[in-house]
Amino acid sequence: SQTIHQWPATLVQPVGSPLSLECTVEGTSNPNLYWYRQAAGRGLQLLFYSVGIGQISSEVPQNLSASRPQDRQFILSSKKLLLSDSGFYLCAWTTGNSGNTIYFGEGSWLTVV
Amino acid sequence: AQSVTQLGSHVSVSEGALVLLRCNYSSSVPPYLFWYVQYPNQGLQLLLKYTSAATLVKGINGFEAEFKKSETSFHLTKPSAHMSDAAEYFCAVSDGNFNKFYFGSGTKLNVKP
Repeated sequence: SQTIHQWPATLVQPVGSPLSLECTVEGTSNPNLYWYRQAAGRGLQLLFYSVGIGQISSEVPQNLSASRPQDRQFILSSKKLLLSDSGFYLCAWTTGNSGNTIYFGEGSWLTVV
Repeated sequence: AQSVTQLGSHVSVSEGALVLLRCNYSSSVPPYLFWYVQYPNQGLQLLLKYTSAATLVKGINGFEAEFKKSETSFHLTKPSAHMSDAAEYFCAVSDGNFNKFYFGSGTKLNVKP
């Protein structure tokens, strides 16, 4: 069966510091991968998605970037964090097929101080 | 373009009462619709999904949703609320390419004893 791992679970970083959140999927190949951000009371915002290695689509201009160095690895990064980057970050995956379901990791809490 | 609107950011019901969480969608293609549940500090779990088969979809934990094209709605219901149903619920729609998923802003369900 497929599983998705996301880490770290919790992170407290100072303003201006770098960020790296990692996500890996097991038990499937060539998944579509996603990063969402969930800010308090604002639902889920799609940040990036990827349909293959090195292919990244950005949904919202921001201080963050994403990379997909391997088929089942998706990384969310920032060179200099802002206070507004605080939130709950969720990695997710799908098979990309018709009627597919999107599956989520457990999330990473980022607090920028 | 696809979008989802969830009416009511907070819904409160008594234990044993009917649960009704509202979702309206906008889609330029026949939609694939989903309901997810999120417990505190966790990722999202799939409750049920509509993929153009039966309009009444049954999910886990006694939840069901009915797709009504004429009303562009996909409301979530449960006949009798349980304390363990207290969580946040998200409605989502998939785009025609099945690469992106758009989520509503969420509805927090409170169940009173």
